[in-house]
Amino acid sequence: AQSVTQLGSHVSVSEGALVLLRCNYSSSVPPYLFWYVQYPNQGLQLLLKYTSAATLVKGINGFEAEFKKSETSFHLTKPSAHMSDAAEYFCAVSETGANNLFFGTGTRLTVIP
Amino acid sequence: GAVVSQHPSWVICKSGTSVKIECRSLDFQATTMFWYRQFPKQSLMLMATSNEGSKATYEQGVEKDKFLINHASLTLSTLTVTSAHPEDSSFYICSALVQAALNEQFFGPGTRLTVL
Repeated sequence: AQSVTQLGSHVSVSEGALVLLRCNYSSSVPPYLFWYVQYPNQGLQLLLKYTSAATLVKGINGFEAEFKKSETSFHLTKPSAHMSDAAEYFCAVSETGANNLFFGTGTRLTVIP
Repeated sequence: GAVVSQHPSWVICKSGTSVKIECRSLDFQATTMFWYRQFPKQSLMLMATSNEGSKATYEQGVEKDKFLINHASLTLSTLTVTSAHPEDSSFYICSALVQAALNEQFFGPGTRLTVL
């Protein structure tokens, strides 16, 4: 069975500060891992994905995530937060690619000017 | 990138009526589309997988007679909420699988349904 846990339903950072959003997964096979961003009343946009290649994955908008098998984690980071980063972020796992995605409960990022 | 649209973006209906939500792939053909439901401040829950020309595959606990899915063409899937009740009020999001993009899912903007 696969599952995702996102620690912290709400994270606040100051503009220019480091962004760290946590994601831990459970999977019986090597997983595919995804981070999506959702702006209010919009669908999801893919930020980045891990598909068993490099463990450090770079995505759009300056975000990156590192796959750590020993910690079953796939935390999302960005060195310097921007006001436009304020949104809801979802981590997702799949055992079969993008067909069957299981989403975490999401983390709302607030950026303080 | 691939664009997925949904119509309507929001709808308010009376209890007992049926509502149809459309999901279109605008610049590509999608043999597989997905329908998700999102409650306030919660995650997306997969409701069903829609395959063009065949019956949809519903997730456990989703009533297929209540949430009718039709994928009659390679660019359109519809979700009809039949005999809607207030507990059906939610944000419904569709996505389309793009094989050319290594099977990435592209999501529509969502439809907010409010049942009075």
